[in-house]
Amino acid sequence: QQPVQSPQAVILREGEDAVINCSSSKALYSVHWYRQKHGEAPIFLMILLKGGEQKGHDKISASFNEKKQQSSLYLTASQLSYSGTYFCGTEPPGNTGKLIFGQGTTLQVKP
Amino acid sequence: KAGVTQTPRYLIKTRGQQVTLSCSPISGHRSVSWYQQTPGQGLQFLFEYFSETQRNKGNFPGRFSGRQFSNSRSEMNVSTLELGDSALYLCASSLSPGGMNTEAFFGQGTRLTVV
Repeated sequence: QQPVQSPQAVILREGEDAVINCSSSKALYSVHWYRQKHGEAPIFLMILLKGGEQKGHDKISASFNEKKQQSSLYLTASQLSYSGTYFCGTEPPGNTGKLIFGQGTTLQVKP
Repeated sequence: KAGVTQTPRYLIKTRGQQVTLSCSPISGHRSVSWYQQTPGQGLQFLFEYFSETQRNKGNFPGRFSGRQFSNSRSEMNVSTLELGDSALYLCASSLSPGGMNTEAFFGQGTRLTVV
């Protein structure tokens, strides 16, 4: 089951903050976040595991609520380079290696 | 360290033909996953290989198949192409198929157009 991301799109000014949410109807083992710029490959941002472990970039933070099967990505003091489409990928328990991605959230940061 | 390499970058095929796409993962990575990306459907999981074994498969018809070789390179094949198979096919490699080392590194993709 594909996770649901919200909002679908957001426009920001440089320096503003944004939150992107990802929720699943299924129990999760981990949540992954990727950013894709137009015409480029998705790049890894964060991985959050059940139990609290996480791995990712210093300037981007995320949370993972295992009980609610939700994750949020926090982009603070946004920069022009943050523009792109953000995807969350969920990995169900016992089924490692299979990432199911949400539809994506398009973020545009304006000067 | 070389990234994930996908070949070819662009392909134009006719309906009914078959196509083979190639993916060379990052050196040392043993897990390779394939995704289909279209504007309407987003990133759709096709299959995942680890140590030459297909561990997971997405909801795609049997026309979509793949394999992984002993050097971790992977190929995917689509037979009897349909217009709806036009998409960007992305390959991703990771150190292992689960846990903290699951971060996936994507290749630039192969843009397949079926006419």
